[in-house]
Amino acid sequence: NAGVTQTPKFQVLKTGQSMTLQCAQDMNHEYMSWYRQDPGMGLRLIHYSVGAGITDQGEVPNGYNVSRSTTEDFPLRLLSAAPSQTSVYFCASSYLDLGQPNYGYTFGSGTRLTVV
Amino acid sequence: AQKVTQAQTEISVVEKEDVTLDCVYETRDTTYYLFWYKQPPSGELVFLIRRNSFDEQNEISGRYSWNFQKSTSSFNFTITASQVVDSAVYFCALSGSPNAGNNRKLIWGLGTSLAVNP
Repeated sequence: NAGVTQTPKFQVLKTGQSMTLQCAQDMNHEYMSWYRQDPGMGLRLIHYSVGAGITDQGEVPNGYNVSRSTTEDFPLRLLSAAPSQTSVYFCASSYLDLGQPNYGYTFGSGTRLTVV
Repeated sequence: AQKVTQAQTEISVVEKEDVTLDCVYETRDTTYYLFWYKQPPSGELVFLIRRNSFDEQNEISGRYSWNFQKSTSSFNFTITASQVVDSAVYFCALSGSPNAGNNRKLIWGLGTSLAVNP
């Protein structure tokens, strides 16, 4: 089982460029989400999806787009990169039903993005 | 509003010492979930435990133990006989009932950086 796979691990962009961060999971999880991690701010939710074809905004969605055409994939698109988007991005997934004892969200290994 | 406070920014201990990481949360939800995650220097986020609001049983897993007390809105994490490999940033997080979309959002504390020195 690969779990949650994020690519790339590192990326440097120039202001105004666009790019897509990839996230794929092989656990048949319905729920997928994107977080960004910034010093002093902790992790904040950008967008999430509860199933294929269904997405919604999180806490800090501006400047980002998502789509969910399959259960496995949940790419995050930066439309026009800005220095404020310099951050570490994490994709996370889980079953919709967290009822299984001691079950949590599985995170990818992160993408460190620098916008210059 | 939901909030998670980890008052200890950094803790430094010597190997084999016991250490407790504090987590205090605020929520108006009657059903909620509490989590602990570990972020080692390599950067990934590793799930440690989840507790449901209706289950106040304490949990022990090897050298790790967790104390959940609704009366004080705390979910503290203790490492017994700490080891160098325990050095990491530890995050406490809170989410609401999973049935309502955005309630699944994890609210994170700012983390406690634990350094275990040989």
